[in-house]
Amino acid sequence: ETGVTQSPTHLIKTRGQQVTLRCSSQSGHNTVSWYQQALGQGPQFIFQYYREEENGRGNFPPRFSGLQFPNYSSELNVNALELDDSALYLCASSIQAGPQAGANVLTFGAGSRLTVL
Amino acid sequence: AQTVTQSQPEMSVQEAETVTLSCTYDTSESDYYLFWYKQPPSRQMILVIRQEAYKQQNATENRFSVNFQKAAKSFSLKISDSQLGDAAMYFCAYTTYSGGGADGLTFGKGTHLIIQP
Repeated sequence: ETGVTQSPTHLIKTRGQQVTLRCSSQSGHNTVSWYQQALGQGPQFIFQYYREEENGRGNFPPRFSGLQFPNYSSELNVNALELDDSALYLCASSIQAGPQAGANVLTFGAGSRLTVL
Repeated sequence: AQTVTQSQPEMSVQEAETVTLSCTYDTSESDYYLFWYKQPPSRQMILVIRQEAYKQQNATENRFSVNFQKAAKSFSLKISDSQLGDAAMYFCAYTTYSGGGADGLTFGKGTHLIIQP
């Protein structure tokens, strides 16, 4: 079975620009979540998508947005980039039995390293 | 809000020896999950072990075991017979039990584990 793949692996943007990061979920997984990992820190939860709808969000502003497609792949979009957005962005997928079910184990991708100049 | 604290930024151990990584957390929930993830230089987060709070028995996965003290809100990871491949950042993480994982994982800041040959 294939794991979680993310693209691009590295990218450089300038302040004020917009960026789209992509994620292909592990086969059979129906839920995707995104995390931001600043240098030297643990990952921070951005949001989760289940059945193409956002069903959970961390403490991130609206300029962080996402999509989940019918094939369960996903995008993370960040508008009006700021210097502090420089980080490793991790995508993770899982199988959820339902919105009230217990949490299941996440499978992570290797991340996209974003540098904002 | 839930918090996860890892008080050891770095730990070093001789190959074949045993090392324990510490983690404490704060929550008002009675049911939740705790995890240890490993992040090698390849950046991909890999699940090491998972503990459900309602289970009193400590989880074990081969050379990895936990000491879960629910009343003390402590969740330490013991690695026995340390191997060079164990060298990585180790993150302790928490999530609520229900809601399908929509609250996301709350991570600690990590412990850098060095294995001395």
